[in-house]
Amino acid sequence: QKEVEQNSGPLSVPEGAIASLNCTYSDRGSQSFFWYRQYSGKSPELIMFIYSNGDKEDGRFTAQLNKASQYVSLLIRDSQPSDSATYLCAASGSARQLTFGSGTQLTVLP
Amino acid sequence: GAVVSQHPSWVICKSGTSVKIECRSLDFQATTMFWYRQFPKQSLMLMATSNEGSKATYEQGVEKDKFLINHASLTLSTLTVTSAHPEDSSFYICSARDPAGASTDTQYFGPGTRLTVL
Repeated sequence: QKEVEQNSGPLSVPEGAIASLNCTYSDRGSQSFFWYRQYSGKSPELIMFIYSNGDKEDGRFTAQLNKASQYVSLLIRDSQPSDSATYLCAASGSARQLTFGSGTQLTVLP
Repeated sequence: GAVVSQHPSWVICKSGTSVKIECRSLDFQATTMFWYRQFPKQSLMLMATSNEGSKATYEQGVEKDKFLINHASLTLSTLTVTSAHPEDSSFYICSARDPAGASTDTQYFGPGTRLTVL
């Protein structure tokens, strides 16, 4: 069974700190990886995707991918209270469907 | 770009009635759309993959006769919950892939429909 695992948290960081969210996946055939943010009661919104080993930066967000370790992470710099949400990691498999992790709940404390 | 809408945003119905939810891609053509269900405090569960002009592919355990999916055009997919019961109460979310996007596997989500069956 193809799985995406995330630490459910909750993860709390002070405002201005770096939040680090981690994700592992079991399907070595996964090609693309996605981070979504989901506020309570809302649908997921795309933060960024990554498909090459290494880092990819977009504003305050940096995604990191290590295919050898089957590991994806998301760093949020200068965390703001508005970043408080559940962060979903997803992997795209051979069927091009997305397999989602259970999400990590992040709280940024003012 | 890549905006997906859903209608209605919420619906309350009596047990035994049917409810139709629409999912539209507003600024792109989506050959493939997906339907998810999310219960409180749980992650997204894929129900089915909807392909334009063909039958939907349902995930294991999802009753295709209960959750009818129609994808009649490149911008519209509908989910009909037939003979709804209280256990069908959930947050239903659709998503669509933009074949012209930077990542063709990226799914863009609609705002979701909260269904409550009394």
